[in-house]
Amino acid sequence: GGIITQTPKFLIGQEGQKLTLKCQQNFNHDTMYWYRQDSGKGLRLIYYSITENDLQKGDLSEGYDASREKKSSFSLTVTSAQKNEMAVFLCASRTGGSAETLYFGSGTRLTVL
Amino acid sequence: DAKTTQPDSMESTEGETVHLPCSHATISGNEYIYWYRQVPLQGPEYVTHGLQQNTTNSMAFLAIASDRKSSTLILPHVSLRDAAVYHCILRVGRGQGTGSKLSFGKGAKLTVSP
Repeated sequence: GGIITQTPKFLIGQEGQKLTLKCQQNFNHDTMYWYRQDSGKGLRLIYYSITENDLQKGDLSEGYDASREKKSSFSLTVTSAQKNEMAVFLCASRTGGSAETLYFGSGTRLTVL
Repeated sequence: DAKTTQPDSMESTEGETVHLPCSHATISGNEYIYWYRQVPLQGPEYVTHGLQQNTTNSMAFLAIASDRKSSTLILPHVSLRDAAVYHCILRVGRGQGTGSKLSFGKGAKLTVSP
């Protein structure tokens, strides 16, 4: 079996700060995702990547950058943290084929002071 | 993108069989129905998926209506560990090997009482 590791687990930032979240997977999956989850709400797709050096915008890409320099890693940057922002950022990778199963990390919890 | 509709919450008691409904009236012919569940402080976990036929695995039974406009996740003999938010989602996108969006809603919160 594999695992998805997200770092850090908790991230506290200041308004206007650039913050980077990292995700590593050892499934050897091609496609990786970043989602944002706000309290009591669903997951919203920020970016995804179907292979190394590929980036695709999701529904919530404004205010974020992403990077996929290696197949096993996918990082997300909050370009300018918003005051009082609180959310969980979830990374996932998926199996191949016509059916897709996502495997998620346990998340990075962001608080902006 | 096709969307799904689920109740906000459902309550159950340990040992019961729980039926979690999901409506997807605008589903396309090649879209799969996926179920994930999420417990606090964790990312969603895959439960099951199906296209047309009912499916079963160690976690759950997925019943898909013949017109595919709805499905029901059936959890037999629930325990406290089954308490979670259950997400019913549809695969969006085309083709093998291509990345595709998977959009999640709020899901249905299942509460299990002792």
